[in-house]
Amino acid sequence: QSALTQPRSVSGSPGQSVTISCTGTSSDVGGYNYVSWYQQHPSKAPKLMIYDVSKRPSGVPDRFSGSKSGNTASLTISGLQAEDEADYYCCSYAGTYTRVFGTGTKVTVL
Amino acid sequence: EVQLVESGGGLIQPGESLRLSCAASGFTVSGNYMSWVRQAPGKGLEWVSIIYSAGDTYYADSVKGRFTISRDNSKNTVYLQMKSLRAEDTAVYYCTKGYSLSHDAFDIWGQGTMVTVSS
Repeated sequence: QSALTQPRSVSGSPGQSVTISCTGTSSDVGGYNYVSWYQQHPSKAPKLMIYDVSKRPSGVPDRFSGSKSGNTASLTISGLQAEDEADYYCCSYAGTYTRVFGTGTKVTVL
Repeated sequence: EVQLVESGGGLIQPGESLRLSCAASGFTVSGNYMSWVRQAPGKGLEWVSIIYSAGDTYYADSVKGRFTISRDNSKNTVYLQMKSLRAEDTAVYYCTKGYSLSHDAFDIWGQGTMVTVSS
């Protein structure tokens, strides 16, 4: 159950787009369409942003989108806003009823 | 309002036991899959355990054999019994509710309860 690999940080100016990658293996990301993404502001609980690779829960802005290719999932934030500055974690089902989180990515709005 | 409130965290010595509680409101724990996720200080999220509506339970390798997840439907509460605690179990423990529209996502999170294992 090794953590999925994410870049430590990404940054962008307001209005720009940023993409966060989440790399796993064929036993997790590549094997199932159950990748979710969570946003966490400092000292706050995580918030679900994307589920089942590319679906958005009600209330999440459509600036957030998800995709997957092979063993790598991605979260794209379009039209970056100041309130998007936070840590982001991917999570994938890994079989036998277990799941694994990513290492986390800090998004900085310049 | 749909809400999860954790309790039971604290400072505990290595080798001892602790039970965390997660009181739910606005939905029934028995009708949803419920999970515990932890976060060590300054570190990332780590999935710990899950209990499905049918009652089956599963654990991360790092806690298997030491932690037990359970629920009390009459109290609408989920528990995490932790034994043989180690320094590396030090973390904020979050209780989460499974998202009904997904096989595997968590849409409601508690505020977390801090567990510190230290002598």
